[in-house]
Amino acid sequence: GDSVTQMEGPVTLSEEAFLTINCTYTATGYPSLFWYVQYPGEGLQLLLKATKADDKGSNKGFEATYRKETTSFHLEKGSVQVSDSAVYFCALSALGGTALIFGKGTTLSVSS
Amino acid sequence: EAGVAQSPRYKIIEKRQSVAFWCNPISGHATLYWYQQILGQGPKLLIQFQNNGVVDDSQLPKDRFSAERLKGVDSTLKIQPAKLEDSAVYLCASSQAPSTGEQYFGPGTRLTVT
Repeated sequence: GDSVTQMEGPVTLSEEAFLTINCTYTATGYPSLFWYVQYPGEGLQLLLKATKADDKGSNKGFEATYRKETTSFHLEKGSVQVSDSAVYFCALSALGGTALIFGKGTTLSVSS
Repeated sequence: EAGVAQSPRYKIIEKRQSVAFWCNPISGHATLYWYQQILGQGPKLLIQFQNNGVVDDSQLPKDRFSAERLKGVDSTLKIQPAKLEDSAVYLCASSQAPSTGEQYFGPGTRLTVT
C-alpha cells in the first residue's frame, strides 16, 4: 500500500543554520504531497503542498519540490529560527480525496 | 473563523472501560476524519465521513471502536472496551475540499489507558 518514509529525528540546529528533512514516498499513481507542522501545544497545520511532479510548495521560508523520478519531497529552509522548533510530518493523499497517509514525524529543535 | 473543536483534551481510564470523544468541525466542512496518533508515529486514519455517510472505515477496529456523525456536523468516536494499546492522541480533522488533501486539525484528545 501507499506509504511515507521520513528521516529519523530529532534534528538539532543552531539559529540561521540550513535545514533539510528528507521524505520519500511509495504510491500508485500520482499523489499530492504535503508537509504538516505541529508546534508545541498546538494542532497539526498545513505548511505547504505540491500536487504534481516538479511543483514546488513554499511557505514561511520553507520549500519542498515534488520529485517523481526519486519519489521524494524533501523539506528545506535556508535559515531556521528558534520559532521553527516543532514536529514536521510528511504526508500524501492519493487522487480522489482519500485521507492523508503520514510519515512518523521529525522533531526539529533550534537553539539560539 | 473557529477551528476544529475537540473534547475532552485529556482522558485517563482503566482497561475494559469505555470512553467517548467529541468533535465539532469547521462550519461548512462536509468531510470529517478521525485519526489515531500513537506516540512516536504519524497519525493513522480510523474513519472518514462525507456529511453523515462513511467513506472509509477500513482501519477502524470495529469490534471495539465505533463512530457516528448523525446530523452531518459534529461527530463522536467511542471505544468500548478499551485496551492498553489504545493509549494515543485521537485527532479530528475536517475539510471543505477533500480532493485537495487540505485538512484542518483539532487539538486532539490524549487518551491514557491504565
